Amino acid sequence: KNQVEQSPQSLIILEGKNCTLQCNYTVSPFSNLRWYKQDTGRGPVSLTIMTFSENTKSNGRYTATLDADTKQSSLHITASQLSDSASYICVVSGTNNLFFGTGTRLTVIP
Amino acid sequence: NAGVTQTPKFRILKIGQSMTLQCAQDMNHNYMYWYRQDPGMGLKLIYYSVGAGITDKGEVPNGYNVSRSTTEDFPLRLELAAPSQTSVYFCASSYPLLVAGVGSEQFFGPGTRLTVL
Repeated sequence: KNQVEQSPQSLIILEGKNCTLQCNYTVSPFSNLRWYKQDTGRGPVSLTIMTFSENTKSNGRYTATLDADTKQSSLHITASQLSDSASYICVVSGTNNLFFGTGTRLTVIP
Repeated sequence: NAGVTQTPKFRILKIGQSMTLQCAQDMNHNYMYWYRQDPGMGLKLIYYSVGAGITDKGEVPNGYNVSRSTTEDFPLRLELAAPSQTSVYFCASSYPLLVAGVGSEQFFGPGTRLTVL
């Protein structure tokens, strides 16, 4: 069964600290994996995309990793800011389907 | 470009009422989607369209209908509203999911918060 699981469900960190969000998937065949950021009351916005051949990709303070062998991805946030408070959603593409994780709710406190 | 727009932003319906959620995009995307997001849950696909005149069911289509007469517009119709349809509805659009082997980014609208009482 094609599934995408994210952990933790929620996370609270102090401003300035780093954190790592996890995404495990069982989607096959695998095409690519995207991380989206969803601010409260807004639609998701793409942060980065990982294809099968990519191990690491950065977008500012966001760094995504992909291990296609173990079917795991992580999103690392460096030097967190209050504006990083949001839900982060992992979306995996199969041949022509999308599979959504339930997201990790991150709260950054001063 | 306005991107993906949705109207209304909020709506309260009584059980059994009907309404249409509007969605429009100005990016000339072929693919459009409707999702619902229940509190604390992930996005679930209701319907999608790969082009004008072509629609197909997603994971949770019961109680909804769609049409796609133009590339730009993709309205979602609720015929007999039920409390189980209380949710936030997101419309999205994209180029075809597989473009030169790389998945296409979905662009989401701001959402419509629907409450059925």
